[in-house]
Amino acid sequence: RKEVEQDPGPFNVPEGATVAFNCTYSNSASQSFFWYRQDCRKEPKLLMSVYSSGNEDGRFTAQLNRASQYISLLIRDSKLSDSATYLCVVNGYNFNKFYFGSGTKLNVKP
Amino acid sequence: NAGVTQTPKFRILKIGQSMTLQCAQDMNHNYMYWYRQDPGMGLKLIYYSVGAGITDKGEVPNGYNVSRSTTEDFPLRLELAAPSQTSVYFCASSLQGSYEQYFGPGTRLTVT
Repeated sequence: RKEVEQDPGPFNVPEGATVAFNCTYSNSASQSFFWYRQDCRKEPKLLMSVYSSGNEDGRFTAQLNRASQYISLLIRDSKLSDSATYLCVVNGYNFNKFYFGSGTKLNVKP
Repeated sequence: NAGVTQTPKFRILKIGQSMTLQCAQDMNHNYMYWYRQDPGMGLKLIYYSVGAGITDKGEVPNGYNVSRSTTEDFPLRLELAAPSQTSVYFCASSLQGSYEQYFGPGTRLTVT
């Protein structure tokens, strides 16, 4: 079983839509959770950390469900500039090691 | 601040050749990482370091070696390059293990 699994998409949505991605992880002891954004042929950049209580940053909301071992990312009022691949990242039994999902591709259309 | 820098940006190697991918950071981060990303896939950890003189294996260490003699530099050595090592290589650093990782722009390596 993979450490981190994501739906690869692509998710094709119109501008202004709300879209949600889920990511499941296999290690119940994981402590750190992140969403990164990666533009085509660029390096990943942190979008947001995911806290147990959930967190919101503008149009982006991230939530953690430890019981079901998944994290989610909700994007409201999608913009063309949100088109990218979103990577779910979780640490493993060795907390210094991070596992990346294969990413969910989002295409926001005019 | 330059952040995390990587050289070279692109490289083509012949099978059996060796090379060193350079990575440097100027943020005084203790933790540094090497990842590879194959097309359409997520990043896989090759090696990481929690400080100068300390390195450890990640998910896919075979065919690679690292060293960390200073806080700033974390080179990745490929010995006897194979076509399976064709990938994009990203170096990253973070202040602590559970903190945000900052990535370099990547090195695109092709082995033919």
